Formats: sequence, structure tokens, C-alpha cells
Amino acid sequence: LAKTTQPISMDSYEGQEVNITCSHNNIATNDYITWYQQFPSQGPRFIIQGYKTKVTNEVASLFIPADRKSSTLSLPRVSLSDTAVYYCLVGVFYSGGYNKLIFGAGTRLAVHP
Amino acid sequence: EAGVAQSPRYKIIEKRQSVAFWCNPISGHATLYWYQQILGQGPKLLIQFQNNGVVDDSQLPKDRFSAERLKGVDSTLKIQPAKLEDSAVYLCASSLRTGNPNEQFFGPGTRLTVL
Repeated sequence: LAKTTQPISMDSYEGQEVNITCSHNNIATNDYITWYQQFPSQGPRFIIQGYKTKVTNEVASLFIPADRKSSTLSLPRVSLSDTAVYYCLVGVFYSGGYNKLIFGAGTRLAVHP
Repeated sequence: EAGVAQSPRYKIIEKRQSVAFWCNPISGHATLYWYQQILGQGPKLLIQFQNNGVVDDSQLPKDRFSAERLKGVDSTLKIQPAKLEDSAVYLCASSLRTGNPNEQFFGPGTRLTVL
């Protein structure tokens, strides 16, 4: 199973760009890289998902190098409301066509005024 | 679009008592998941349903936990009897598809405290 490693915590200030890097050395060919965000007392929320190169949506960008052994979530111009836990996940694809997400401890991002 | 609904939001019980949680997924989502999230940790998958069939329950403590999804829509998760270490938030999620890629939509969770 592909295991992910990401920093336990990060600090930033409003208006800055935040990059959270995740390593997943054992990622399999069929696996996608997914990031979720979780606020206190809420369930995780999907942010972005990608397979290779770069993916961008209205919330974030995801950069994946050619070897796919790591990925970087980029949050442009963060605000106080971006303070949350960010999870990097690699979907485990197993027989029967089913997908399983394995959450790690995540990265606690604190945005300061 | 209505999200994933869970009830109750909070539950406090004594150890060795029983408790049940209810989940209503997003309409049309065939796949339903139950996660356990202990304070300070990421969610851990307990069981995954595809319609009303179990896909994965490898991490479900089957001596005390049970789950069902009758008619492939709503689901209930039961703990009987509860232990102190079962204190956690129980999250329900659903997704439209099961293969890669998939996006899971989570409910607000039920916070269980076992005294």
C-alpha cells in the first residue's frame, strides 16, 4: 500500500502562497493523488486530485513530477479561513475496481494575520 | 444539492452500552463509507459498501461493530458493547463512483464519548 509522508505542521501569513509537499515513494501505476481539507468539527472536504503534471482548480494547484513519487499542493494567497488540516492521499486501487483512501495524520496549517 | 446527513451529532454513553449511528448519503451515490477519527489522527476506514454489499470491512472490529446498508441507501453503524477506546468521531462519506478517480463527500460526523 502506498504510504504518504507530509509535514506535521506549517505556519504562514495572510496573503502568502503555501506549498505543502507530500512524498509517496511506493505509488502504483493506477493510483491517483488526492488532497482533502478538514476544518475542526467538520468532515474532510475534497480539494483537488491529479495523476501527473499539473492540475489547477479555483481553490488550489497540484504539482506532480514525472516520477510521481511526490506531489505539492499549492494554495495561493492564503487567508485565515485556510487554517485547517490538509491530507495527502494516494488512492489504493484493488481488484474489483474499488478504490480505498488511506488517511495519514495530515499537515496542520496555521495562517496568521 | 443536499450533502451527507448524519445523526446524532453527539452521543455520550457509558462503557458496555450500545450505540447506533445513522447516515443518509447523497442521492445517487452508490458507494458509502464509514470512518473512525480519533482525536489528532486522520480518519480510518471501517467499512465500505457498494450499493448494499460490503466491499471492504478489513478494519472493522467485528466482535463489537456492525454495519448495514439495507436497500442500498441509508446505513447504520452499531457498537455493542462500547469500550473507552471507541471514543471518536464517526464519519460517513459517499461517492458516485468507486474506481479511480473518485471524490468522497463527507458528512459532519457523530462525536461519540464513552465514559
